[in-house]
Amino acid sequence: SQTIHQWPATLVQPVGSPLSLECTVEGTSNPNLYWYRQAAGRGLQLLFYSVGIGQISSEVPQNLSASRPQDRQFILSSKKLLLSDSGFYLCAWSVGQKNQPQHFGDGTRLSIL
Amino acid sequence: QKEVEQDPGPLSVPEGAIVSLNCTYSNSAFQYFMWYRQYSRKGPELLMYTYSSGNKEDGRFTAQVDKSSKYISLFIRDSQPSDSATYLCAMMAPGGYNKLIFGAGTRLAVHP
Repeated sequence: SQTIHQWPATLVQPVGSPLSLECTVEGTSNPNLYWYRQAAGRGLQLLFYSVGIGQISSEVPQNLSASRPQDRQFILSSKKLLLSDSGFYLCAWSVGQKNQPQHFGDGTRLSIL
Repeated sequence: QKEVEQDPGPLSVPEGAIVSLNCTYSNSAFQYFMWYRQYSRKGPELLMYTYSSGNKEDGRFTAQVDKSSKYISLFIRDSQPSDSATYLCAMMAPGGYNKLIFGAGTRLAVHP
C-alpha cells in the first residue's frame, strides 16, 4: 500500500532563516505531488504541484519554492522566512492519471518567531 | 463569490444523531467530488469520492451529489464521539493534474 511521510512534524524558526520541508511517497511510481498551506480555521491553499521530476507549477506568488529531485520526493523551501509564512504545511499525492483523489501526509506545523 | 462554500460551524450534536454536512459550488464543470475528514493536528483523510450526481454509501457515511442544484452533502448516521473532526469538501478542478478546490471545512463535535 502507499504511504506518505512528511517531516518534521513541528518546526519553530526565526524570521529570516531558511526552510526545507521534505515529503516522500512510498508504494507508487510517477505520482502527482502537491504542497498546501492551511491557515487556522481556513481551507487548504494549493502552493505548488508537480507531475514529474523537475516539473514544478506554482499557484501563488510567494516567498516559497518547491523542488522534486526524485520521483517520490517533494521539497518545500525558502531562503528567508517571513512571519506570514507561519502555518500548517501539507504534502499530498495522487496517482498520475486523470480524476484521481489526493492523499495527504500529516503535515508540518511551522511557527515563525 | 468563492467557488466552494461550506459553513464552518461548529456543529455540535449528541452521540447517535444523524449529521448532515453540506457544500455548494458555482462551477457547473465540476464532476468529481470528495469529502475529507481532518482530526486536529493531522492531515485530511479521504472519506468519500464520488462522480457526478447520485448517492454513494460506505458504512455509516453517505455522500450525495445534486449537480442541478450545485450542492453536495455528507450524512453520518449513528454519529460517534470519534467522528468529532473537521470535514472538508473538495471538488476536482477541470483541466487535469487532479487539482482540488476545497471548502473551508465544517468543525463537528459529537458529545456523549
